Amino acid sequence: AQSVTQLDSQVPVFEEAPVELRCNYSSSVSVYLFWYVQYPNQGLQLLLKYLSGSTLVKGINGFEAEFNKSQTSFHLRKPSVHISDTAEYFCAVSDFGGYQKVTFGIGTKLQVIP
Amino acid sequence: EPEVTQTPSHQVTQMGQEVILRCVPISNHLYFYWYRQILGQKVEFLVSFYNNEISEKSEIFDDQFSVERPDGSNFTLKIRSTKLEDSAMYFCASSGTGGREKLFFGSGTQLSVL
Repeated sequence: AQSVTQLDSQVPVFEEAPVELRCNYSSSVSVYLFWYVQYPNQGLQLLLKYLSGSTLVKGINGFEAEFNKSQTSFHLRKPSVHISDTAEYFCAVSDFGGYQKVTFGIGTKLQVIP
Repeated sequence: EPEVTQTPSHQVTQMGQEVILRCVPISNHLYFYWYRQILGQKVEFLVSFYNNEISEKSEIFDDQFSVERPDGSNFTLKIRSTKLEDSAMYFCASSGTGGREKLFFGSGTQLSVL
């Protein structure tokens, strides 16, 4: 079974400051990793994903994440946040199976302060 | 970008009533999913559907729940006799090749059981 732990439920950060949202996972098999974003009153949108290859993954809106297998982490970063980044961010994992479910973390609310 | 469409956006029902939540996945996708998010909690997997049958389901997906792909375009979630604890945002998702590809999520149906 897989699980995802997002260590911070809320992260306040000033506009133009850097941010890191933390995610750790556990799984007995190799996995794919994802970050999804949910803006208020909207559905989930994929920010980025790690399937294989380079451990540094770049996504939309200037976000990036680094896969660290030894630490079983997949932290999300952005060097300079904008007000429009205020949203809830979900780390997620799925195993290598063809149609296996995606397991989500509990989410981290990013609040960008002007 | 192609979209997953969900209707209705809000559904209010009385406890014990049947509800059907509707989804139109992306046309060439093969894998279909339902997730739900109870207010303040994580996004939870309910069921995955492939080749006209359920491929995996969670403990939440008991006999009160069913899914159907009645024609080539719609994918429905039926709750036979709703309970108060079924109140949640229900997300439909689809993907082309399952876990290796990103899930495309709809914007959700907010179900309120009174």
